[in-house]
Amino acid sequence: DAGVIQSPRHEVTEMGQEVTLRCKPISGHDYLFWYRQTMMRGLELLIYFNNNVPIDDSGMPEDRFSAKMPNASFSTLKIQPSEPRDSAVYFCASSLGGPETQYFGPGTRLLVL
Amino acid sequence: GNSVTQMEGPVTLSEEAFLTINCTYTATGYPSLFWYVQYPGEGLQLLLKATKADDKGSNKGFEATYRKETTSFHLEKGSVQVSDSAVYFCALRKGTGGFKTIFGAGTRLFVKA
Repeated sequence: DAGVIQSPRHEVTEMGQEVTLRCKPISGHDYLFWYRQTMMRGLELLIYFNNNVPIDDSGMPEDRFSAKMPNASFSTLKIQPSEPRDSAVYFCASSLGGPETQYFGPGTRLLVL
Repeated sequence: GNSVTQMEGPVTLSEEAFLTINCTYTATGYPSLFWYVQYPGEGLQLLLKATKADDKGSNKGFEATYRKETTSFHLEKGSVQVSDSAVYFCALRKGTGGFKTIFGAGTRLFVKA
């Protein structure tokens, strides 16, 4: 049974470039979460969706960040333009029926030079 | 506001030693409490949880008891193994309608053979 799938696993880009991170949740799950993990700030919730609809994006750091969920099996997190301070590990997680038991993907390690 | 404080790591133990990782929280109301584990290169996995005072969560030999009087949720294991080497995160979520999980900074555990 496939878990949450994220791509790419690693991304190195230059400041100013657009970055798109992808996530495929576990089939049948109706909640999807995007998190960012840094040494300084730990693990932070950026945004979450319920049935493909964004519910709370208060954790999105600024307008350079955007997230979409066009269907139940795919979500993207886009950063445009990227900055060095965006360097972090970005996790996607999904759950069924609520936030109680979230299944995390392996993460995308982003480095912005 | 809500917050979680964990003991700083890294914690280094020999195999079969007793493990305690301290976690205290600040929250209004009656939050649910969680321990997550992150193995190298992977996403977080839910280890155990407790949803009300005096509940004990347990899994894979790990235990934690929800102590409202001391606002604590310390993680314990009687005999650690090398395979337990990972980062452990304490977390809370507010009881009713709360979807935002607040994570502690994480405690890295090294177990030596």
